[in-house]
Parts: sequence; structure tokens; C-alpha cells
Amino acid sequence: RKEVEQDPGPFNVPEGATVAFNCTYSNSASQSFFWYRQDCRKEPKLLMSVYSSGNEDGRFTAQLNRASQYISLLIRDSKLSDSATYLCVVISGNTGKLIFGQGTTLQVKP
Amino acid sequence: DAGVIQSPRHEVTEMGQEVTLRCKPISGHNSLFWYRQTMMRGLELLIYFNNNVPIDDSGMPEDRFSAKMPNASFSTLKIQPSEPRDSAVYFCASSLVAGPIGTDTQYFGPGTRLTVL
Repeated sequence: RKEVEQDPGPFNVPEGATVAFNCTYSNSASQSFFWYRQDCRKEPKLLMSVYSSGNEDGRFTAQLNRASQYISLLIRDSKLSDSATYLCVVISGNTGKLIFGQGTTLQVKP
Repeated sequence: DAGVIQSPRHEVTEMGQEVTLRCKPISGHNSLFWYRQTMMRGLELLIYFNNNVPIDDSGMPEDRFSAKMPNASFSTLKIQPSEPRDSAVYFCASSLVAGPIGTDTQYFGPGTRLTVL
């Protein structure tokens, strides 16, 4: 089983829709969590960190559920420019390294 | 401000040839990371340096891969000899803080797209 798993999608949604992605992690000792965004043929960029209490940045909300070992990303009022691959990132509880999920692809349609 | 700079952006080579990828981290950053991204395996950490010292190279696939950081502004990842399965996008990233990985935001370079024929 992979240490970090995501549904690859693609998620195809109309502009203005609300969309949510989940990511599960297998190591309960994992401490830090992030969402990165990667546009087609570009480098990954940090979107937001995920805190235990949850955090919000504009239209984006990240949540952590330690009991069920998953993190989520909610995008409200989606824009065409939100089309990208969203990478879930976990700091491994074993090695302390960043472990990237395979990514979830979002396509926002007009 | 200049971000992480990588060269070349694209490299096509034949199996058995030596390949050298280059990275210039953001000025003042103290940690540098080399990643590889493929469709099959996603994004994998190969090696990282703190203050020019290699800290963890357990992600390096095999002895054909080597990385150096002779100074704070330059690093290389070398593959010798290259094989078709090395075809991937190789990213370099840097972060300000030299400490346990993940304690500071990593900034990625644009990547080098390597094709080994």
C-alpha cells in the first residue's frame, strides 16, 4: 500500500462549482501535511499547509482528520484557472521525508 | 527575484551516455532537494542537502546516480551510464531553512525533462 493515496480523477466540474478532494495516508505518525498545485508541464508550487484545526485561504479550505488519516481540500466557486493537478504531501512518520501523492487532476469547464 | 534555476530544460541522449543536470538554488537558501517525477511513480525525493552537505541519499535509485553540491549556489545530479528507464522530469527545489525536511516551504525549479533513447 502506498504511504499517500489520492484519487487521480480527473474531476471535471463547471465554473462556479464546489469540488473536494481527499487524500489518505497510512502512517499514523505523520505530522505535517500540505497541498501543492502543479500545472501541466510546470513545477509543483505550495498551495497551503494543512493544520490540525483546519485552515482557509480564500476559496480554498484544507482539513485534517487524524482519526481517519485523511486530509481534504475544498475549492469553492471554482475558476477556469483552478484547472491543475493537486498533490497531497505528507511528511513521513518513519523517515521525515516529504511523500507526494500521485495527484488529483481538476478540469474546470466554462 | 530569480527562482530556482535548472539547466538544461530538455535533454535527449542515448543509452549509455553520461548526463549532468544542474541547479542553482534561490540565493540565501540553505537546503537543496533533487526530485524525479514519472507517470508511474509520481514525484520522488532522490537526495537532499543541508548547508551543502548531503543528508539523505536513500532515494537515489542506484550507483549510476550521483549528486554534488560544491558550494551554496550550485548542485549537479549526474547519471552515468544513462538508461531508458531514467527518462523523467528531474526537479530541483530549495528552501530557506536547513533543518528537518519539510520544516520550510520548498520552491521548485522548472525541471529538466530527460529522455534517454
